[in-house]
Amino acid sequence: EPEVTQTPSHQVTQMGQEVILRCVPISNHLYFYWYRQILGQKVEFLVSFYNNEISEKSEIFDDRFSVERPDGSNFTLKIRSTKLEDSAMYFCASSEGTSGQETQYFGPGTRLLVL
Amino acid sequence: AQKVTQAQTEISVVEKEDVTLDCVYETRDTTYYLFWYKQPPSGELVFLIRRNSFDEQNEISGRYSWNFQKSTSSFNFTITASQVVDSAVYFCALSRNNAGNMLTFGGGTRLMVKP
Repeated sequence: EPEVTQTPSHQVTQMGQEVILRCVPISNHLYFYWYRQILGQKVEFLVSFYNNEISEKSEIFDDRFSVERPDGSNFTLKIRSTKLEDSAMYFCASSEGTSGQETQYFGPGTRLLVL
Repeated sequence: AQKVTQAQTEISVVEKEDVTLDCVYETRDTTYYLFWYKQPPSGELVFLIRRNSFDEQNEISGRYSWNFQKSTSSFNFTITASQVVDSAVYFCALSRNNAGNMLTFGGGTRLMVKP
């Protein structure tokens, strides 16, 4: 069964450094998303992406964050100048379509720890 | 603005008991979609069900059943004859019928099934 994959599973970085989180969405999906989950809290939307453009983003997705589809398979989230409060689990998701009815399938997550 | 409330933060049952997880949502949209995801201790988010606002039929899948009531803005999830493997955090989520497809998650309910 096709699945979303994410690397690395864990990432530790120093405050102020840049990190890149990587995702490989399900191959026939065209819409990609990033969410985050601070430990013990709810899952929060960051950004959605289609056709090499951001479709929607939340207030969390400030100018330190960026997304890219560098090739036909990867989807990345870059966080510059990391802060302690960026520590969270980051989930990538993908869906076939972009309307609200489309089910988003999530990857296993990358746990980011900013020290 | 959309909102999803899962008032039960934690539920503990003994194996074979039935358990219902509550979900109440708020939206001004007439077309919207509701989802349940399971987050086992390993951390990934596993899709369970999707429901659109026009379909109020209850659904049963094995030991799982869902009760969607538009009149009370609720989408409750019942596990019959619970098992230890059902122990997880369960999230209810809501999306709009628009491009971008942001999922708004509830705070989650941690279910502990004891042998």
